[in-house]
Amino acid sequence: GQQVMQIPQYQHVQEGEDFTTYCNSSTTLSNIQWYKQRPGGHPVFLIQLVKSGEVKKQKRLTFQFGEAKKNSSLHITATQTTDVGTYFCAGRKSGYSTLTFGKGTMLLVSP
Amino acid sequence: EAGVAQSPRYKIIEKRQSVAFWCNPISGHATLYWYQQILGQGPKLLIQFQNNGVVDDSQLPKDRFSAERLKGVDSTLKIQPAKLEDSAVYLCASNPWTDLGYTFGSGTRLTVV
Repeated sequence: GQQVMQIPQYQHVQEGEDFTTYCNSSTTLSNIQWYKQRPGGHPVFLIQLVKSGEVKKQKRLTFQFGEAKKNSSLHITATQTTDVGTYFCAGRKSGYSTLTFGKGTMLLVSP
Repeated sequence: EAGVAQSPRYKIIEKRQSVAFWCNPISGHATLYWYQQILGQGPKLLIQFQNNGVVDDSQLPKDRFSAERLKGVDSTLKIQPAKLEDSAVYLCASNPWTDLGYTFGSGTRLTVV
């Protein structure tokens, strides 16, 4: 079945440092979504990428979708303590409606 | 708009007992999902409904899990009998149609002892 892998599993940064998490799929995706889950909370939708090579920005967050539509990344510039949480990518295989989540990258930010 | 409502928030049961979870999606959302999230892992899809029809239940352990979505609105997920490995957070999500982002509920944390 479809697999979505994320690296790293965990990252601890100092406030103000940058952070990047990477997502790789074993199959070509029709689109990819990113979610953030705060400790003790539920996943919250951040963004969806659809086009090959697409780049989208939300304030300090930059999302990219690879040219082959098999990988994606989320980059946070100048992290803040409010960025703490687990970031999940979720891919939808071409021709299917099911969204498959990665295991997530847990981000800890120290002040 | 009101979010996705789930109840109960927490449930502790003994193994071999049965349990049911309830979800009320955002009004007008045609698609409803049940996900299982084990601690430290990503959500895993159990079942997807489009209105009151099942779109995908390939990962639902049908010998013990069942789900229904009455009249295409709210939904219940049942486990009977529960096993220790069913301990997890059960998340309900909805969206207007499948290609959009999901809105998740707060989840039900199940502990099987």
